[in-house]
Formats: sequence, C-alpha cells, structure tokens
Amino acid sequence: DGGITQSPKYLFRKEGQNVTLSCEQNLNHDAMYWYRQDPGQGLRLIYYSQIVNDFQKGDIAEGYSVSREKKESFPLTVTSAQKNPTAFYLCASSMGGHLYEQYFGPGTRLTVT
Amino acid sequence: GQQLNQSPQSMFIQEGEDVSMNCTSSSIFNTWLWYKQDPGEGPVLLIALYKAGELTSNGRLTAQFGITRKDSFLNISASIPSDVGIYFCAGQPNTGTASKLTFGTGTRLQVTL
Repeated sequence: DGGITQSPKYLFRKEGQNVTLSCEQNLNHDAMYWYRQDPGQGLRLIYYSQIVNDFQKGDIAEGYSVSREKKESFPLTVTSAQKNPTAFYLCASSMGGHLYEQYFGPGTRLTVT
Repeated sequence: GQQLNQSPQSMFIQEGEDVSMNCTSSSIFNTWLWYKQDPGEGPVLLIALYKAGELTSNGRLTAQFGITRKDSFLNISASIPSDVGIYFCAGQPNTGTASKLTFGTGTRLQVTL
C-alpha cells in the first residue's frame, strides 16, 4: 500500500535533548512538508522540500532542522532551542509542480518534560 | 503566515441534518482543498477544487470553489455519527510559492443522535 508513515506515534523526551521524528513516503512524491499542530489549532508549516537535497523554511522554522537526502525520507529534528516543543507533528507529501494536493501521515505526538 | 477564516468554528447538529461550512480569504486562491481530521490522526483529503465555480461531490460531501476565488464551501448531506471531526480548508494562493498551502482554522463538527 502506498502512503506516508511517521514513527513513532508517541514520543517522550526530557527538556534539553534533541529528538528526530521520522517521515517516509512511498508515493514517489517530489515534495514533502512538516507541520506543527497545537491543541485546538490549525496547521503551521515548519519546513518544506520541493526536491531532494533542497528545503525551505516555513512559518515557524526556529528551533527545528531537516534534511532531504532521499526522495522518500524527510526527517525533522526538534532541537533544544525550540522553546515549546510539545505538540502534534504532521508530515505530508505532494507530487509537486502544479499539483497541490497534500497527503498526510498519521502524526507523531511529542511530549517534552 | 496567513490563515484562512473558516466558519462556523464549531457546530452541533442532529444525525440526519445537512451541514454547511465555508472558508474565506482576503486574497485570490488558485486551488481549494477540504480535509477531515479525526482526533489524534492526520488530516484526510476529501475534495480538491481547481477551477472558479467548480462544484465537486464525494459521496454525501459537496464542495464549491467560489466564483470570486476568495472563498469555498463544503456541504455534508444527511450527517451520520462518523462525520464527527474537524474539517479544514486549505488553499494555494495566487501569489504564493508553488506547492505551499495556507490552512484554515478548522470547523469542529459534533453530531448528536
């Protein structure tokens, strides 16, 4: 089955530690995205990548980093510099170009204490 | 970043009733997408609209791309309990970066028996 996987579903970390969230897709999509969702809120774009080895900051990139070494993978690192890291993180992908439909993974809930 | 205005923010309806919600923007959009999100899950794409005035159905769901290109509407007919969730609109702005979407603030739908 084609789709987007995110792991793990729940992640717990101590304050001051970096943590990497995984996102893999087998849809052969060129573009991938990371969003953050806080309780009762909409989606805010953290980083996006339109092609391998290239990525751009979204609206709330501070305290986060990404890499795009392979087409199917777009891991997100939440660094200790992120002031409020506890949130629900969603990864998405799209074919790119003029096809804007984004497909989402199941999300990772990160709790930092 | 810009967010789209969705209304209503939340609604309680009885099973069997029809539902209407809308999404508005101050600027023109090229594409409108509608998503549904269940608690703790990633959003699922319901309908994609690419042309002003376009009316598209997916089962009991019907969505329209407003003629002004600044709004979109989603209707759900004969609601059932599994319609419960948060509905997000998303759009690709006319002047925005290709493949970047702007998301609405969401409409929370609750259905009573």
